[in-house]
Amino acid sequence: GAVVSQHPSRVICKSGTSVKIECRSLDFQATTMFWYRQFPKQSLMLMATSNEGSKATYEQGVEKDKFLINHASLTLSTLTVTSAHPEDSSFYICSAPGLAGGIGTDTQYFGPGTRLTVL
Amino acid sequence: SQQGEEDPQALSIQEGENATMNCSYKTSINNLQWYRQNSGRGLVHLILIRSNEREKHSGRLRVTLDTSKKSSSLLITASRAADTASYFCATGSFILTGGGNKLTFGTGTQLKVEL
Repeated sequence: GAVVSQHPSRVICKSGTSVKIECRSLDFQATTMFWYRQFPKQSLMLMATSNEGSKATYEQGVEKDKFLINHASLTLSTLTVTSAHPEDSSFYICSAPGLAGGIGTDTQYFGPGTRLTVL
Repeated sequence: SQQGEEDPQALSIQEGENATMNCSYKTSINNLQWYRQNSGRGLVHLILIRSNEREKHSGRLRVTLDTSKKSSSLLITASRAADTASYFCATGSFILTGGGNKLTFGTGTQLKVEL
């Protein structure tokens, strides 16, 4: 099946620093990727839709200047948390819709997530 | 924004019993999907049901969809300890650019299957 990877899986940083998280579709191309945030014991909240070659679409309440998204190729999207603060500590998950090889666009393939802890 | 509500929030059953989780949503949808998440891990896609379908089966999973009531249920039959996880429903709506569905997740049900 389709595989989406994320790197790093876990990161601890100091308050005020920036952290970049990568999301890759390993065996398929994705013109769209989605970024979610999940706080402990809560559900996933969509942050933004990453579009290859164009600007990301952010959900209401998500600061685009704080969460920078770059979708530079058909297999890679990055999320940069700028000037991170302890309240940004969360589990960040990306997903990509399956498009090719018989995979329907309805299905989402999720990365394993990145645990961010800001001290 | 959070679309779906799931109930129960937590469910504890014995191995071999059936587990039923319910999901309600608020707006029109293209499809509804169910996912499983083991603690601290990514999501695993379980099953998708389209808005024009009423019931779907996959192995020990049975999903129903009632668009008039804006609700869905997930039934896991003959549960196993390995089914212990959080289960989320997610409603899908097509996005105009790039393809794929924008998913809005429910609040989740934490299932614990005891030996």
